[in-house]
Amino acid sequence: GQNIDQPTEMTATEGAIVQINCTYQTSGFNGLFWYQQHAGEAPTFLSYNVLDGLEEKGRFSSFLSRSKGYSYLLLKELQMKDSASYLCAVVDSNYQLIWGAGTKLIIKP
Amino acid sequence: ETGVTQTPRHLVMGMTNKKSLKCEQHLGHNAMYWYKQSAKKPLELMFVYSLEERVENNSVPSRFSPECPNSSHLFLHLHTLQPEDSALYLCASSQVSQPTYEQYFGPGTRLTVT
Repeated sequence: GQNIDQPTEMTATEGAIVQINCTYQTSGFNGLFWYQQHAGEAPTFLSYNVLDGLEEKGRFSSFLSRSKGYSYLLLKELQMKDSASYLCAVVDSNYQLIWGAGTKLIIKP
Repeated sequence: ETGVTQTPRHLVMGMTNKKSLKCEQHLGHNAMYWYKQSAKKPLELMFVYSLEERVENNSVPSRFSPECPNSSHLFLHLHTLQPEDSALYLCASSQVSQPTYEQYFGPGTRLTVT
C-alpha cells in the first residue's frame, strides 16, 4: 500500500531551527507538496518539489531525495506564528495525491 | 470576498437531518474538491469536479451527495449521517484538476453529528 510518514508532533524554541521529516512509499512519484495549517484554518501551500535538492523560500526550505523517498521542511528563525500543523503530500504515478497525517509543531518562547 | 469561502463554519446535526455545505471560490479556477479531515488522520479526498463534471468519487457513502452548478460553486448535501461522519470538511480549488497544481483551501466546516 501507499504510505506517508511524518512525526505526529514536534516542539521547538522561538528563534531556533526545526526540521520536519516526511518519508513516503508510493507507486511512483510526480512531486511532493508541503502545506501549513493553523488550528481552525485552511491549509495553505508552502512548497512543491519534483526534482532532488533544496528549494529555499525565505525562512522556509524544502528538500527532496527521490532515491530515498524522503523530504524535509526546514524552518529557520522560528516565530510563535509558526505554530501549526505541517502536511506532506505526494503525487503518485497515477497522479493521485496521497496525504500524510500532518506534524503538529509547537513553538515555545 | 477573496479566495475560497465555506459556509457554515460550524454545523451540528442529528442523524435524521438533511443539511448542505456550501463552497465558493473567487479565483477563477476550473477544479473543485471536497475533503474530509479527521483528527490525526490524513486528508481524505471525497469528490473532484473539473469544469463542473465529476471526475472522481473515492467510494464515498451515498449519504454524501455533491453538486457543482458552476465552476465557482460546490455543495455537499448531507442526509442520514452517522456519528463517525463528524469531522472538518474542507473545500479546495485549483487551476486545473491535475494534482501537481497547488490547491487553495477554504477554512472548512466543522461538522458534528449527534
